[in-house]
Amino acid sequence: AQSVTQLGSHVSVSEGALVLLRCNYSSSVPPYLFWYVQYPNQGLQLLLKYTSAATLVKGINGFEAEFKKSETSFHLTKPSAHMSDAAEYFCAVSVRGGGNMLTFGGGTRLMVKP
Amino acid sequence: NAGVTQTPKFRILKIGQSMTLQCTQDMNHNYMYWYRQDPGMGLKLIYYSVGAGITDKGEVPNGYNVSRSTTEDFPLRLELAAPSQTSVYFCASTPPGDPGANVLTFGAGSRLTVL
Repeated sequence: AQSVTQLGSHVSVSEGALVLLRCNYSSSVPPYLFWYVQYPNQGLQLLLKYTSAATLVKGINGFEAEFKKSETSFHLTKPSAHMSDAAEYFCAVSVRGGGNMLTFGGGTRLMVKP
Repeated sequence: NAGVTQTPKFRILKIGQSMTLQCTQDMNHNYMYWYRQDPGMGLKLIYYSVGAGITDKGEVPNGYNVSRSTTEDFPLRLELAAPSQTSVYFCASTPPGDPGANVLTFGAGSRLTVL
């Protein structure tokens, strides 16, 4: 079975600062990895996904994530935070041939200070 | 294009009452899912369906039931509501193909409170 750990349930950055949200996964087979974002009172939307092509994945709104197999990590970054980035971010993992079991991390709430 | 539509958006139930959360999608997706979201716990899979007439349990199915009579609809039923079922419920769907690689399209959520 796969699992996901997101370090830090709350992260606060200043506008214009680097955003780094951490995600580590556990999987016995090659994973698919996702980052979803949830704005207040909305459902989740895909930011980006890794499916074994390039290890550096670019997503929407200037976000990107790098798959590091040796570290079992898939951290999300953005060079310069914007007020509109304030939201909750979820890392998720699934596996090839694993049916429909997408496993989510506990989420990280990003706060952006002016 | 409506995507995934959930109703109701909010509901308060008394302990022991029953209700059905409705979910419909207009994208002809064959995979559909119900998740619950609790603070700090991420999303947990309750039930899923790979197509009309086929459903299966997820990680936290106790206290819930589902049916899938059509491709479009995937209702979630709570039979005897308990305070532990207070949560935000999300319906989601994906198109055919490798479900592990597909992106989920989520509804806006249904916030349920059991008192």
